[in-house]
Amino acid sequence: QVQLQESGPGLVKPSGTLSLTCAVSGGSISSSNWWSWVRQPPGKGLEWIGEIYHSGSTNYNPSLKSRVTISVDKSKNQFSLKLSSVTAADTAVYYCARYPTTVTTAFDIWGQGTMVTVSS
Amino acid sequence: QSVLTQPPSASGTPGQRVTISCSGSSSNIGSNTVNWYQQLPGTAPKLLIYSNNQRPSGVPDRFSGSKSGTSASLAISGLQSEDEADYYCAAWDDSLNGGVVFGGGTKLTVL
Repeated sequence: QVQLQESGPGLVKPSGTLSLTCAVSGGSISSSNWWSWVRQPPGKGLEWIGEIYHSGSTNYNPSLKSRVTISVDKSKNQFSLKLSSVTAADTAVYYCARYPTTVTTAFDIWGQGTMVTVSS
Repeated sequence: QSVLTQPPSASGTPGQRVTISCSGSSSNIGSNTVNWYQQLPGTAPKLLIYSNNQRPSGVPDRFSGSKSGTSASLAISGLQSEDEADYYCAAWDDSLNGGVVFGGGTKLTVL
């Protein structure tokens, strides 16, 4: 059973860089899946941030593209998110999720989420 | 403002059938499949329906999905108290640089 676990600082200063990691257990990150980040501001809806394939190919939300970098570390079976120049509007619960390339083409497995607050 | 449009709220009594709509455009729902997620309070979203009308293993057949043109619907029959949650539709969008777009979410209240 594949499981995802987010980790990283819960507090980031304005204008700083938010950095999170998602550890994949119970399966290989080199399998036929896209690995994504989704966020949810308090009391609001879901927003897709971007995704990465184990080859290193990425797709980003156009509205965040200039500030986002998603990378993969196959040796550690994990992938990471960096969001630069953060403001209070980036305060949210950040989820990592798996998106298979075949059959169940949807976010079928999610991490529990990690709250990140942008504040000085 | 979300790319996909959902009603902010819906409600029903136990045993009733409720539907939640999701409206999009030709670049998303009109040309790609729709997925639905259920988010119980304080928890991560859970996949409820994929590829318009497919249920993952373990999802009760009380939940069903459909799509027509640029709109989709989630139906819940035999409503139960544990169905009280937020529901989100999502689809890939082919416009500009593409990406997954979500609806704004519908809060379902079981009266």
